[in-house]
Amino acid sequence: TQLLEQSPQFLSIQEGENLTVYCNSSSVFSSLQWYRQEPGEGPVLLVTVVTGGEVKKLKRLTFQFGDARKDSSLHITAAQPGDTGLYLCAGVRVNSNYQLIWGAGTKLIIKP
Amino acid sequence: DAGITQSPRHKVTETGTPVTLRCHQTENHRYMYWYRQDPGHGLRLIHYSYGVKDTDKGEVSDGYSVSRSKTEDFLLTLESATSSQTSVYFCAIRVTGASYNEQFFGPGTRLTVL
Repeated sequence: TQLLEQSPQFLSIQEGENLTVYCNSSSVFSSLQWYRQEPGEGPVLLVTVVTGGEVKKLKRLTFQFGDARKDSSLHITAAQPGDTGLYLCAGVRVNSNYQLIWGAGTKLIIKP
Repeated sequence: DAGITQSPRHKVTETGTPVTLRCHQTENHRYMYWYRQDPGHGLRLIHYSYGVKDTDKGEVSDGYSVSRSKTEDFLLTLESATSSQTSVYFCAIRVTGASYNEQFFGPGTRLTVL
């Protein structure tokens, strides 16, 4: 059982469309991160959210941490082919040994 | 660039042979991690280190051992490789405090066990 459930697992859309990726859990997290991974490379950290309800923006990407700190979303506006990649969420659970818990990832393809 | 290199980048080996993967960092970070990545599973922690000669097991440690004799090097050894250990292996360093645990990753090693 995955402690962090990501959905959808796979998404293929046209350039210019909007999309949202979700990361859900029944556990409370002290912090949650989003990474992007391109083929043949390691994951690269995009953002960390730490406060319930927090919203962070990175150009066309908007990240939100749920009020109860159990879930997060990544919204991309006007997707570009350069957004193609595997998006991974990961978090540190409260009262844990500080190890990162990882979601299985969302594979995103943006078609020109 | 946190200066992480992994070697080799690709390796093909046969079942039953020992394999050692190397992770090297240049920035003196205390925490280092070994993960494997397989389709549908995301990243799974194999072992981690919190200092020279200080290591601990992750969720999928069976069949793997690690060593850290110097701050900059973290070695992952498959004592007797099996086909189930065919995977992409990533090394990572922790670049922030424990409650954030933000990690920077190496480029990965693709291992195929025939």
